[in-house]
Amino acid sequence: AQSVTQLDSHVSVSEGTPVLLRCNYSSSYSPSLFWYVQHPNKGLQLLLKYTSAATLVKGINGFEAEFKKSETSFHLTKPSAHMSDAAEYFCVVSDADSGNTPLVFGKGTRLSVIA
Amino acid sequence: DTGVSQDPRHKITKRGQNVTFRCDPISEHNRLYWYRQTLGQGPEFLTYFQNEAQLEKSRLLSDRFSAERPKGSFSTLEIQRTEQGDSAMYLCASGAGLAYEQYFGPGTRLTVT
Repeated sequence: AQSVTQLDSHVSVSEGTPVLLRCNYSSSYSPSLFWYVQHPNKGLQLLLKYTSAATLVKGINGFEAEFKKSETSFHLTKPSAHMSDAAEYFCVVSDADSGNTPLVFGKGTRLSVIA
Repeated sequence: DTGVSQDPRHKITKRGQNVTFRCDPISEHNRLYWYRQTLGQGPEFLTYFQNEAQLEKSRLLSDRFSAERPKGSFSTLEIQRTEQGDSAMYLCASGAGLAYEQYFGPGTRLTVT
């Protein structure tokens, strides 16, 4: 069975400082990994995806994530936080051998950005 | 905008009533998923369609829940004899071909009183 563990339920950073949201995964298969963001009263938006190509993945809005198989991690980073980054972030795993499988979500990390 | 749409956005119902939600996927997407999200949790998978065939159902999908996707286009999710524990956000997502990512709609928030 696949699962993801988001190590922090809440992260608070000051505007302009780096963001680090941590995620560890467990998968019996070669995983596909994603980060989704959910702003209040808005739908889930795909930030970035890893599907067995380059291990450093760049996404939208300056976010990036690095797949580390030895550490079973897929942490999300951004060099400089912006107020608009405040939202709920979900780390997600799926089976890379089939694009048809459902997504398995972590419990989410709420990012607060302080002015 | 040609994203995933869901209707209604909000539904308040009394315990024991039946409710039906609709999802319209992105037009060229053959895969359609339903998820449920409760407060403070990530979305949990409910069921999955490829075209009109329902290929997978979660154990979360009790016999009070039924989903259809006639003609492989829009989908409906019906909950019969609603219970307070059914209160949640119901999310629909769609995907195309062999692509891994899924695109989500805004969700239907169900409140059972």
